[in-house]
Amino acid sequence: GAGVSQSPSNKVTEKGKDVELRCDPISGHTALYWYRQSLGQGLEFLIYFQGNSAPDKSGLPSDRFSAERTGGSVSTLTIQRTQQEDSAVYLCASSPLAAPRYEQYFGPGTRLTVT
Amino acid sequence: AQTVTQSQPEMSVQEAETVTLSCTYDTSESDYYLFWYKQPPSRQMILVIRQEAYKQQNATENRFSVNFQKAAKSFSLKISDSQLGDAAMYFCASRAGATNKLIFGTGTLLAVQP
Repeated sequence: GAGVSQSPSNKVTEKGKDVELRCDPISGHTALYWYRQSLGQGLEFLIYFQGNSAPDKSGLPSDRFSAERTGGSVSTLTIQRTQQEDSAVYLCASSPLAAPRYEQYFGPGTRLTVT
Repeated sequence: AQTVTQSQPEMSVQEAETVTLSCTYDTSESDYYLFWYKQPPSRQMILVIRQEAYKQQNATENRFSVNFQKAAKSFSLKISDSQLGDAAMYFCASRAGATNKLIFGTGTLLAVQP
């Protein structure tokens, strides 16, 4: 079956612009995660969604970052007023349930470059 | 708080040889899981192997095995009969109890020499 897909694959934006990154999880997976991979910070958790529960936003680095998940499926990560330090690869993952015994399946990521 | 440490930024191995990647972790949780992920240049993170902390037996997946030393909080990955396709960045990660997020180490870049 289809894996996790993310779009766009690459995004170049100017400092101060807003960007939206999209994630399509594996069909039927109720848990969805966003991670950021950057040279300075390594791989870090941003946010996760589990069904209709309130998302865990504990990893979002600032209030310029937000995410939503519509209809329990597609998720959009929005970064407002982008800064150069936002340049990174943004990875999305999904799993059948949000429990440690369930594997997280990753998408190919979106490489964001802020100029 | 959980932490994961990988002290080897880069490793190199000859094709068909064996290599061991090191990882140490720290957690106050009694129920946790440990993982090794592979990230090739395509950026796709692929789960290589998983270890449940409550299991004493080391996990094995074909050519990949782990040496899980719970008291020492060590979780190393052994790759046997290395193949060119094993060349990638390898990340050690932990996930504890009710926490659903993965905590990653800084990664080890593995090169496989023909």
